[in-house]
Amino acid sequence: EVQLVQSGAEVKKPGESLKISCKGSGFSFTTNWIGWVRQMPGKGLDWMGIIYLGDSDTRYSPSFQGQVTISADKSISTAYLQWSSLKASDTAFYYCARLLGYCGTTSCYRRTNFDSWGQGTLVTVSS
Amino acid sequence: DIQMTQSPSSLSASVGDRVTITCQASQDISNYLNWYQQKPGKAPNLLIYDASNLETGVPSRFSGSGSGTDFTFTISSLQPEDIATYYCQQYDNLPLTFGGGTKVEIK
Repeated sequence: EVQLVQSGAEVKKPGESLKISCKGSGFSFTTNWIGWVRQMPGKGLDWMGIIYLGDSDTRYSPSFQGQVTISADKSISTAYLQWSSLKASDTAFYYCARLLGYCGTTSCYRRTNFDSWGQGTLVTVSS
Repeated sequence: DIQMTQSPSSLSASVGDRVTITCQASQDISNYLNWYQQKPGKAPNLLIYDASNLETGVPSRFSGSGSGTDFTFTISSLQPEDIATYYCQQYDNLPLTFGGGTKVEIK
């Protein structure tokens, strides 16, 4: 069974750094992509980016490029989402999800979808 | 970026009713469209992939159709456990984009 287990809720101050994690099991970590999706309070879903766990090839949404860093450590089957300087507007739930399929630099293959999701990590940024 | 416009943003229906949600893409995306269900306080869950294919384990009362720019998601007979927000998502082009969501409630 595919499982993605995310790290726990975080409360941070503006300007602080943060790294949250997503540990996968039940599938071949190094031949899959993991994506990150933001959900601000009471709002919809925003795709942030994806990372190929085998070689850390990464695609970012232009909206999040330069704002976050997506990384992975295949030796422990874990993907990460990192901020160097948090803002209050980063307050949100963040979900990791396995991307079934493949995306190149501009488009994706047929039958590409987020088929398994983590439970979400709530990040609260407040002074 | 491809914009995905969902309607309605919310609806209220009775148990047993047929519920229909539409999703319009700002450009032709063929059938590169998925539908997700998000129950309150939970992560999203894939229901339909490639516009009309039911994910394994998903009840057959859920269905999807469409191609090009116009897509439809249908619950043939609404059940109490279907209370959730539903999202469409295109994957024809990066960045991947989601519709704004449709919140389904029981009347």
